[in-house]
Amino acid sequence: KNQVEQSPQSLIILEGKNCTLQCNYTVSPFSNLRWYKQDTGRGPVSLTIMTFSENTKSNGRYTATLDADTKQSSLHITASQLSDSASYICVVSDRGSTLGRLYFGRGTQLTVWP
Amino acid sequence: EADIYQTPRYLVIGTGKKITLECSQTMGHDKMYWYQQDPGMELHLIHYSYGVNSTEKGDLSSESTVSRIRTEHFPLTLESARPSHTSQYLCASSAFNTEAFFGQGTRLTVV
Repeated sequence: KNQVEQSPQSLIILEGKNCTLQCNYTVSPFSNLRWYKQDTGRGPVSLTIMTFSENTKSNGRYTATLDADTKQSSLHITASQLSDSASYICVVSDRGSTLGRLYFGRGTQLTVWP
Repeated sequence: EADIYQTPRYLVIGTGKKITLECSQTMGHDKMYWYQQDPGMELHLIHYSYGVNSTEKGDLSSESTVSRIRTEHFPLTLESARPSHTSQYLCASSAFNTEAFFGQGTRLTVV
């Protein structure tokens, strides 16, 4: 069964600190993996998208890694800011259908305290 | 900034009413999706479309219906709203194997 598991479910850190969010998936055949940021009451916004051959991709203070062999990904946030408080969602796409089906994790709820 | 729009942003409606949630995108994407999301939970796919006149049901059973008469427009309709339909509804679009762009969502409350 195609699944995406994220950990931790929630995380509280102090402003300026770094953190790492985890994503494990069983989606096959794998096409790409995306990390989205979703502010409360708003639609998800894409942070990074990584294909099978990419190991690391950065977007400002966000760095995503992908290990396609172990089917694991991480999102590292450096020098956290209050505006980073949001839900971070890992989304994996398969290539077994014309749809490029998306499988969503439940997200990690990050709270940054001053 | 993604060019995908949902209206209304918030809707409070009485039980039994018919409602249509609007979703439009100006990126020329063939694929469009409707997701349902309860607070603190993951997104569940309820409908998707490959293109004009193509619609399919998603993973989560839903009493809603959709139509795709034009590429840019993918409305979702509930014929008779019930309190169990209270949720956030998110529309998204994508080209083949590219990232999905999401609208801001419609938060529906049925009283």
